[in-house]
Amino acid sequence: NAGVTQTPKFQVLKTGQSMTLQCAQDMNHNSMYWYRQDPGMGLRLIYYSASEGTTDKGEVPNGYNVSRLNKREFSLRLESAAPSQTSVYFCASRTGTGGTGELFFGEGSRLTVL
Amino acid sequence: SQQGEEDPQALSIQEGENATMNCSYKTSINNLQWYRQNSGRGLVHLILIRSNEREKHSGRLRVTLDTSKKSSSLLITASRAADTASYFCATPWGSGGSNYKLTFGKGTLLTVNP
Repeated sequence: NAGVTQTPKFQVLKTGQSMTLQCAQDMNHNSMYWYRQDPGMGLRLIYYSASEGTTDKGEVPNGYNVSRLNKREFSLRLESAAPSQTSVYFCASRTGTGGTGELFFGEGSRLTVL
Repeated sequence: SQQGEEDPQALSIQEGENATMNCSYKTSINNLQWYRQNSGRGLVHLILIRSNEREKHSGRLRVTLDTSKKSSSLLITASRAADTASYFCATPWGSGGSNYKLTFGKGTLLTVNP
């Protein structure tokens, strides 16, 4: 099993360009998450999807949109990229609907906005 | 949202020594998790401790939780160079259940010197 797969792994954009980060999991998990990681800031939650057909904002949603395409896939879109969105983006998934459970992370997508 | 804070920010030790990292959080939780991140990789779950547990072991890892002090510690015994990584504590926030979300601290960078 591949676990959580993110594409692309690296991307360079110019300010104002748009792009979509793709995430897919093959563990039949209900919940999926997008985080960004910046030096000295730890991980911050952008958006999450508790189950197929639902999405909700996290701590830092401005400038992003998401789509839960089906149970496997959860994409993150930057409509008009800004230098402040230069970051490493991580997708994660979790099984179950209870109040515990570990997150499984992808390997990250490194985005630079010039 | 609430966020755990790890202490120290960085720790450098010799192989064979023990490493202790601490995490403090702000509000009541029902569980706390620790994750590890090797440089340039995604996060990997290490251990989960529930609010009704004081201590938990997994191999060379020992986690404690003091809910009265809102703090947790991660002890790695007999450290190895391969333990070099960043370690994060994660706490849940939100309404729970299907809206379960984790927030992460900024991490402790552990360097184990051969």
